[in-house]
Amino acid sequence: QKEVEQNSGPLSVPEGAIASLNCTYSDRGSQSFFWYRQYSGKSPELIMSIYSNGDKEDGRFTAQLNKASQYVSLLIRDSQPSDSATYLCAVNSWGNNRLAFGKGNQVVVIP
Amino acid sequence: GAVVSQHPSRVICKSGTSVKIECRSLDFQATTMFWYRQFPKQSLMLMATSNEGSKATYEQGVEKDKFLINHASLTLSTLTVTSAHPEDSSFYICSARDRDREGTDTQYFGPGTRLTVL
Repeated sequence: QKEVEQNSGPLSVPEGAIASLNCTYSDRGSQSFFWYRQYSGKSPELIMSIYSNGDKEDGRFTAQLNKASQYVSLLIRDSQPSDSATYLCAVNSWGNNRLAFGKGNQVVVIP
Repeated sequence: GAVVSQHPSRVICKSGTSVKIECRSLDFQATTMFWYRQFPKQSLMLMATSNEGSKATYEQGVEKDKFLINHASLTLSTLTVTSAHPEDSSFYICSARDRDREGTDTQYFGPGTRLTVL
C-alpha cells in the first residue's frame, strides 16, 4: 500500500462549481497534512495545511481531515479557470523529515 | 513569509560539464532542505535530504557522487550535478523546512531549475 494515495483521475468542473479532491494515507502516526498546487511547468505551492480533525477554511479552499478514517480532502468552491492545476496531497509524520506525496490530481476548470 | 529562491531558473549545458544549483531560504532559517527531481508529467521524486552542517541523506538509487549536496549555512543548500548527461535533463526543485514554535514542520518549495543537457 502506498503511503499517500490520490486515486481519482483528471477532474473537470465547470466554472463556479465545487471541485472535490480526496486523499488517503497509510501511516496512522501522521500528524501534518498539506495540499500543494502545481501549475504545469512550475514548482508546488502550498495552499493549505491541516493538523486537527475537522474542517479548515481559507478563502475558497476548505481542507477536511479525518484521522480515524485516514483521509484528507480539499474542496475548492466557486472554481475558477485559474484553479486549473495539479493538486498534490502530502503527509508528514512526527519526527520524520520527509513529506510523503500522492501522485496528484489534475483539475481542469471549464469556463 | 516563507520564501525560497533557486538559482539559476534555467540552465543549458554540454554533456560532461558540471552544473551547480543554489537554493536559499530568504526569510527563515532552514536546518533541513530537500532536493527533488521531476520529469515531464511525472510525480515529484525526492533525491536527497540536505542537513545543515552534516552530510546529505540520499534516497535509494540516487548517486551521491553524481549529485553533490552542500548545506553550509542555515539559508543555503547547493546541488551540483557532476558530469551531466542528457538523461540528467529534468526539473530540479528544492524545498526548505520551516519549523514553527509548536514544532510543526512545513515545506516551502523554490521555483525550480530546468536543466537541459545537450
